[in-house]
Amino acid sequence: DQQVKQNSPSLSVQEGRISILNCDYTNSMFDYFLWYKKYPAEGPTFLISISSIKDKNEDGRFTVFLNKSAKHLSLHIVPSQPGDSAVYFCAATRRTGANNLFFGTGTRLTVIP
Amino acid sequence: GAGVSQSPSNKVTEKGKDVELRCDPISGHTALYWYRQSLGQGLEFLIYFQGNSAPDKSGLPSDRFSAERTGGSVSTLTIQRTQQEDSAVYLCASRPTGLSNQPQHFGDGTRLSIL
Repeated sequence: DQQVKQNSPSLSVQEGRISILNCDYTNSMFDYFLWYKKYPAEGPTFLISISSIKDKNEDGRFTVFLNKSAKHLSLHIVPSQPGDSAVYFCAATRRTGANNLFFGTGTRLTVIP
Repeated sequence: GAGVSQSPSNKVTEKGKDVELRCDPISGHTALYWYRQSLGQGLEFLIYFQGNSAPDKSGLPSDRFSAERTGGSVSTLTIQRTQQEDSAVYLCASRPTGLSNQPQHFGDGTRLSIL
């Protein structure tokens, strides 16, 4: 049962444009959400997170939006750069218990120079 | 470096053999996790260690899988009598404390291939 879903396996955008990566979740108990970036043969690298008490968190070119009623979050990258090309994983967790992360299947972003 | 270290980076073995995968977390991190990523899938939680507490083994797929963490630091994931469906990238992550508002930091993983 996939509790976190990324329905777009890939996305291509032009350098300088906005990249929007989407993520949906089914478990209403999730209260902390994260985005990880992964290059080939490397482990995921933490990018940005958001708590369920917020609807937006911004860090430089990266902004994460959370819509709790829709159980949807998105990652915006503006402006996109070729170095952003990677696989992006959405993850969610509950702040109690093991806090293990539930991951989506990832979206491969390609930024075209 | 100061990151999570995993070894070996690649492991190829025959079906039925046992394998041991090692994780050295970031110094001082009390929480340690094992995940695996099968081809085309997201990361799947396996097991969680927090300090001296009993581990959360709820993600282990079968009794062929086990893990231990010695001295609150290095962890070993053992897979007995490997099967072809065990082929995956096994990732270890650590976090400074058991609090969930701090992100997990991942190692580069061990790519396990069962022939």
